[in-house]
Amino acid sequence: GQNIDQPTEMTATEGAIVQINCTYQTSGFNGLFWYQQHAGEAPTFLSYNVLDGLEEKGRFSSFLSRSKGYSYLLLKELQMKDSASYLCAVRDRENRLAFGKGNQVVVIP
Amino acid sequence: ETGVTQTPRHLVMGMTNKKSLKCEQHLGHNAMYWYKQSAKKPLELMFVYSLEERVENNSVPSRFSPECPNSSHLFLHLHTLQPEDSALYLCASSHQRQGADYGYTFGSGTRLTVV
Repeated sequence: GQNIDQPTEMTATEGAIVQINCTYQTSGFNGLFWYQQHAGEAPTFLSYNVLDGLEEKGRFSSFLSRSKGYSYLLLKELQMKDSASYLCAVRDRENRLAFGKGNQVVVIP
Repeated sequence: ETGVTQTPRHLVMGMTNKKSLKCEQHLGHNAMYWYKQSAKKPLELMFVYSLEERVENNSVPSRFSPECPNSSHLFLHLHTLQPEDSALYLCASSHQRQGADYGYTFGSGTRLTVV
């Protein structure tokens, strides 16, 4: 089975940096994904980590530590359009994704 | 558009109605999924189809009945639903390939309200 834990909500100021944490417990780890979901829309892929370390994609970076069962998503230079829910998902060896509850980020001017 | 299309976007149905949700993808993926998304809860996996065969049913009530006629289409047939079934129903697809960094591509979902 899998257990994925994320904080539920955070507020940050435009231009700031925000870090969203995700801890997980799983058997058969095969990668961790971050998705962004705006209200009423489809979750969209942001990043993927399967090895330890940091993956950087523009303003977004994601970090993974497999030994600690821990990942974070770092959002830099926050923009109003970054207000959304950020979902952490862990994949098992059968390619099934299990999701956390998501972290709602509210960006204020 | 993500490449996965779901219809309808919104659906209101009575508890005695029968309706169907439709999902379509033309991404060349060979696995499709139904997820339920309720407020304050994680996405819940309902059904998995791989190569058009159902490989997983996570103890979903029989009032939900999936159908996958081919690798591009997925349906969720609904009958005698309960108000607690009101939620956002998301379809996703992926390419089943071990070791690849393929995630899922999601549709925009059907917002279902049972009255």
